[in-house]
Amino acid sequence: DAGVTQSPTHLIKTRGQQVTLRCSPISGHKSVSWYQQVLGQGPQFIFQYYEKEERGRGNFPDRFSARQFPNYSSELNVNALLLGDSALYLCASSSSGTGLQKLLFGSGTQLSVL
Amino acid sequence: QKEVEQDPGPLSVPEGAIVSLNCTYSNSAFQYFMWYRQYSRKGPELLMYTYSSGNKEDGRFTAQVDKSSKYISLFIRDSQPSDSATYLCAMSEETSGSRLTFGEGTQLTVNP
Repeated sequence: DAGVTQSPTHLIKTRGQQVTLRCSPISGHKSVSWYQQVLGQGPQFIFQYYEKEERGRGNFPDRFSARQFPNYSSELNVNALLLGDSALYLCASSSSGTGLQKLLFGSGTQLSVL
Repeated sequence: QKEVEQDPGPLSVPEGAIVSLNCTYSNSAFQYFMWYRQYSRKGPELLMYTYSSGNKEDGRFTAQVDKSSKYISLFIRDSQPSDSATYLCAMSEETSGSRLTFGEGTQLTVNP
């Protein structure tokens, strides 16, 4: 079985631009979460979607938005990019929306904002 | 103050050594405790998970949780060069879904 797949793997944008990152969860998993990992730091929670509904949102500005599609894949959108948005964006999937979350992560999208 | 504190290292040990990795936390509502391993340019990989206090062993890895002290540990026995990676502790509340709070990670190098 394929793991969590993310695209693109790398992306370079300039300040003020908008970006869309994509994620396909493991087959059968209905929960998708997004994390931001700045170099040298642990991942920070951005969003969780379960059965196409937002189940949680981290402490990120409204420039960050996401959605989940009927096939459980997901997109993360970031508007008006800032230099500080440069990070590894990780998508994780899990089979349930509550309780212990055994998150399975993709390899991430490395976003550089110039 | 961060909710989860983890010494970033770096930690360098000889092959075969016992490695001890630790995290402290401040949120008494945390119920699930996890350890992830992250290789360079890869996503984190779940190693161990425990619910509430106690010990859990899996092969060369042992995870310990002491909720009274708000302290968790991961021990690696007979460490191997392939264990060289960044180790992240993570925690969550009972009802927080996939909102994990991570430590900043400890970079471990096991030298042959």
